[in-house]
Amino acid sequence: QAVLTQPSSLSASPGASASLTCTLRSGINVGTYRIYWYQQKPGSPPQYLLRYKSDSDKQQGSGVPSRFSGSKDASANVGILLISGLQSEDEADYYCMIWHNSAWVFGGGTKLTVL
Amino acid sequence: EVQLVESGGGLVQPGGSLRLSCAASGFTFSDYYMDWVRQAPGKGLEWVGRIRDKANSYTTEYAASVRGRFTISRDDSRNSVYLQLSSLKTEDTAVFYCGRGGGGYGPEYWGQGTLVTVSS
Repeated sequence: QAVLTQPSSLSASPGASASLTCTLRSGINVGTYRIYWYQQKPGSPPQYLLRYKSDSDKQQGSGVPSRFSGSKDASANVGILLISGLQSEDEADYYCMIWHNSAWVFGGGTKLTVL
Repeated sequence: EVQLVESGGGLVQPGGSLRLSCAASGFTFSDYYMDWVRQAPGKGLEWVGRIRDKANSYTTEYAASVRGRFTISRDDSRNSVYLQLSSLKTEDTAVFYCGRGGGGYGPEYWGQGTLVTVSS
């Protein structure tokens, strides 16, 4: 079982909100990790969006709009990237990442389609 | 403005070697950890390794898939980090990105990447 699991795809309408999930493997407690989120558009490098551990331990990337936010659902052992007020430019691949066992581990990525 | 510029990619035969470079500017390079990440064609991101700063003895960490074959080094006087690739396999074909990480934190800035193609 992968350390981080993301849905392969998600579709949402312009103006709506999208909740992208990053599920940690059973036995790995989401509460103890900072979860990082990156956006990647075709042909471009990843762009750092934010990191989230708790409401008192979080950081927004430089220039990243506030409509991108992070949270967790401890009951589901999940990290969440919430994108509100979806815009066509938000269509991209999104990756979560944690530091686990002395290595950065990425989720497989979610392709977000805005239509 | 933080800038990271990778170079050194190209076509190499299986079993061959290559050295990638990443030139940094716009920040105090010596204060930061540096990471390498790769992305195979049409695939997701895969972390390759990290080198810490002088205060942390320039220690390195590597992904299991490359440990023993890839080596990360840095030259703070040249504001550069390097990735030596050896014993290359076809499955190492990827775009390699360098990223700037803070102490204990993940990369916030990435370069544009350099493509490594391993093929006979």
